[in-house]
Amino acid sequence: GNSVTQMEGPVTLSEEAFLTINCTYTATGYPSLFWYVQYPGEGLQLLLKATKADDKGSNKGFEATYRKETTSFHLEKGSVQVSDSAVYFCALSDNTNAGKSTFGDGTTLTVKP
Amino acid sequence: NAGVTQTPKFQVLKTGQSMTLQCAQDMNHNSMYWYRQDPGMGLRLIYYSASEGTTDKGEVPNGYNVSRLNKREFSLRLESAAPSQTSVYFCASSAIWTGEGGEQFFGPGTRLTVL
Repeated sequence: GNSVTQMEGPVTLSEEAFLTINCTYTATGYPSLFWYVQYPGEGLQLLLKATKADDKGSNKGFEATYRKETTSFHLEKGSVQVSDSAVYFCALSDNTNAGKSTFGDGTTLTVKP
Repeated sequence: NAGVTQTPKFQVLKTGQSMTLQCAQDMNHNSMYWYRQDPGMGLRLIYYSASEGTTDKGEVPNGYNVSRLNKREFSLRLESAAPSQTSVYFCASSAIWTGEGGEQFFGPGTRLTVL
C-alpha cells in the first residue's frame, strides 16, 4: 500500500534560518504530492502541491520538488519566521479510490525570535 | 463560501453516551472523510464517502458509524463513547481527481473528551 515517511520532529530553528523537512513516499502509479500546514487549534490547510514528476510547488516562500527518482518531496524555506511555527504534514493522493490521501505523521516546527 | 464546517467545536461526554458530529461542505465535492488526530499519531482515517449514498471503512472504524445524508453533509456517530475516543476529529472533502491534484479541504475540528 501507499505510505509517507517524514522527518521526525520536533524541529526548532532561529528566525531567518534555513528549513528543510524531509519527506519520502511509496506509491504505485503517479501520485499527487502535498504539504499541509496546521496552526495551533486549527484544521489542516494546503500549503503547496505538485501533481507530476519534476513539478515544483511553492507558496509563502516554501518550496518542494516532486522527485520521482528518489521518491521524495522535501519541504524547504530559505528564511523562516516566528509565524511559520506550526505542524507540517506531507501527503500523497494516488488519484483513485475516492481521492483518499495518505499522510505522514507530521513535523512540529518551532521558530524562536 | 464557508468551505468545510463542523459542529460542535468542543464536546465533553461521559462513557456510554452517544453523540453525532456534523460536517457540511459547500464546494460541491464528491468525496468526504472523517479523521481523528491524537498526539504523536498523525491523522487516522475513520470512514470516507466517495459519493452520496456510499460509505467505506478507513483505518480505525470500530466504535463509529457514518451517514452521507446528501452531497453536502457527512455525519459521524459515536453510539457508546469510550475514553479511547477522546481525540480531535476532522472532517475533510475533496473533488474526485480531475487532473487538478485532489487536495483535501479540512474543517476546523471537534475537540471531544470522553470521561
